[in-house]
Amino acid sequence: QKEVEQNSGPLSVPEGAIASLNCTYSDRGSQSFFWYRQYSGKSPELIMSIYSNGDKEDGRFTAQLNKASQYVSLLIRDSQPSDSATYLCAVEFILTGGGNKLTFGTGTQLKVEL
Amino acid sequence: GAVVSQHPSRVICKSGTSVKIECRSLDFQATTMFWYRQFPKQSLMLMATSNEGSKATYEQGVEKDKFLINHASLTLSTLTVTSAHPEDSSFYICSARDLQLAYEQYFGPGTRLTVT
Repeated sequence: QKEVEQNSGPLSVPEGAIASLNCTYSDRGSQSFFWYRQYSGKSPELIMSIYSNGDKEDGRFTAQLNKASQYVSLLIRDSQPSDSATYLCAVEFILTGGGNKLTFGTGTQLKVEL
Repeated sequence: GAVVSQHPSRVICKSGTSVKIECRSLDFQATTMFWYRQFPKQSLMLMATSNEGSKATYEQGVEKDKFLINHASLTLSTLTVTSAHPEDSSFYICSARDLQLAYEQYFGPGTRLTVT
């Protein structure tokens, strides 16, 4: 069974700090990885995608991928109260019968405190 | 770019009636659209994958006769909840995959369905 695991949190960080969100996945063959942000009562919003090992930076966000360890993380620098949300890790799994499927973790709730 | 809309955003219906939800990709062509359901404080659950011009593929445990999906064009997919019951009350969200950005999925704003 293809799985994506995240710590549900809540992860509390003070304003201005770095928030570190982690995700592990079960399928070594996965090639595509995504981070979504979901505010309460809203739909998910894509904030980062990463396909290669290493770091990918976009503004205050950095995604890190380590395929050997089957681990992907999201760093949020200079955290703001508006970053308080649930962050969903999503991994594209290749299906044995062909095709692929995006599988979501249960999400990590981030709280940025003043 | 990559905007997905859903209509309606909120609907209340009586038990036994049917509800149709529309999902549109506004600025790109979506060969594949996905329908998810999310109950309070739970993660997204994929219900079905919809490819333009072909039958939808339903996830295990999702009743295809209850949740009718049509993907008639590259910009429109519809989900019809037939004979809705209170247990179908949930947040229904569609997403679409851009032909040009093959791996990224963009979500619509969601439809909150309440069945009384």
